[in-house]
Amino acid sequence: AQSVTQLDSQVPVFEEAPVELRCNYSSSVSVYLFWYVQYPNQGLQLLLKYLSGSTLVKGINGFEAEFNKSQTSFHLRKPSVHISDTAEYFCAVITQGGSEKLVFGKGTKLTVNP
Amino acid sequence: GAGVSQSPSNKVTEKGKDVELRCDPISGHTALYWYRQSLGQGLEFLIYFQGNSAPDKSGLPSDRFSAERTGGSVSTLTIQRTQQEDSAVYLCASSRFAAGELFFGEGSRLTVL
Repeated sequence: AQSVTQLDSQVPVFEEAPVELRCNYSSSVSVYLFWYVQYPNQGLQLLLKYLSGSTLVKGINGFEAEFNKSQTSFHLRKPSVHISDTAEYFCAVITQGGSEKLVFGKGTKLTVNP
Repeated sequence: GAGVSQSPSNKVTEKGKDVELRCDPISGHTALYWYRQSLGQGLEFLIYFQGNSAPDKSGLPSDRFSAERTGGSVSTLTIQRTQQEDSAVYLCASSRFAAGELFFGEGSRLTVL
């Protein structure tokens, strides 16, 4: 069965600093990968996804992620964060074939300080 | 409707009572998920419906939990003999197809006293 590990439960950064939120997955077969974001008191929304093709994926609000098959990682990055990026970020994986259910990591709470 | 609709938005119940949570997905979406969100636990997968296939129930935490999806549309999550540890936000999501973007409802916040 697939699983997702988000190595950092909380990441505090200062405004305009770069940030990387780490995500590793385990699966014996090919996967689709996603990052979702949950802003305070709001529902979850899709930030970006990797299905196939280029391993560097760009999403909304200046975020990007790189799929690294050899390291089974899908880290999320942004070169310069804003206060408004404060939110909880969830990495998720679907294993191709089988039931194709979407499994989430435990989330990383990003806090951007002035 | 335009989005995924869940009801009730809030439910307070006494330990031992049964509760039903409803999800109305986006029309035409074949995939429907239930997740449980607890503080520090992220989104815990509960159950997944895809079209007419048998649901993936591998995430249901105990036999007190069950879910059904009628006519490929509305879904109901039932929790029998609720316990305090069942307190959480229960999220429903749907997508047009497997591996598609999930659209989440606002959730049903369950509090078991």
